[in-house]
Amino acid sequence: GESVGLHLPTLSVQEGDNSIINCAYSNSASDYFIWYKQESGKGPQFIIDIRSNMDKRQGQRVTVLLNKTVKHLSLQIAATQPGDSAVYFCAEGKNFGNEKLTFGTGTRLTIIP
Amino acid sequence: NAGVMQNPRHLVRRRGQEARLRCSPMKGHSHVYWYRQLPEEGLKFMVYLQKENIIDESGMPKERFSAEFPKEGPSILRIQQVVRGDSAAYFCASSPQPGASGELFFGEGSRLTVL
Repeated sequence: GESVGLHLPTLSVQEGDNSIINCAYSNSASDYFIWYKQESGKGPQFIIDIRSNMDKRQGQRVTVLLNKTVKHLSLQIAATQPGDSAVYFCAEGKNFGNEKLTFGTGTRLTIIP
Repeated sequence: NAGVMQNPRHLVRRRGQEARLRCSPMKGHSHVYWYRQLPEEGLKFMVYLQKENIIDESGMPKERFSAEFPKEGPSILRIQQVVRGDSAAYFCASSPQPGASGELFFGEGSRLTVL
């Protein structure tokens, strides 16, 4: 069946260090993947997306890597800051125009001052 | 530019009562999505609506749940005869023109507690 899952439920990183959050997916028919950040008591906030025909995309302090061979997605956050503490979800979508996303369980990232 | 507005933010209901959750999309957005999130879990798709049309309701439970997005006014997610298992955070998201991107803009959520 379709599933998007994460390897680690929690991750603690020293402030200023880089962090890597991983995600495994099983549906090779997905058109795109998105990373969302959710702070406590708030709605998910879009971070970055990547289409299935790409293997890397960079944003401000974030990089998403897609390895379709092993169905693996990762989010790299450079020079982490306290404000990066949140739960991070990967999500997959099949069709642009119907944003019916399948979310993973989430990884809780804690930045240690 | 106001974001996606959801109300109420918190709602408490007793078993058997009805819950109505409202969502106003971002200005200029005509597509609304409802997702449900249980504690410590990811979001689960429920329904996708455009004005006056349900496009995809494959994630909606067959009974007690309904959604609408009228020509005027907010989108409504209605849960009849609530049970304890309905306790969750319900998030609404909106997007602009279809096919523009995969980005959804989420509201702050409505947290339903069923006693």
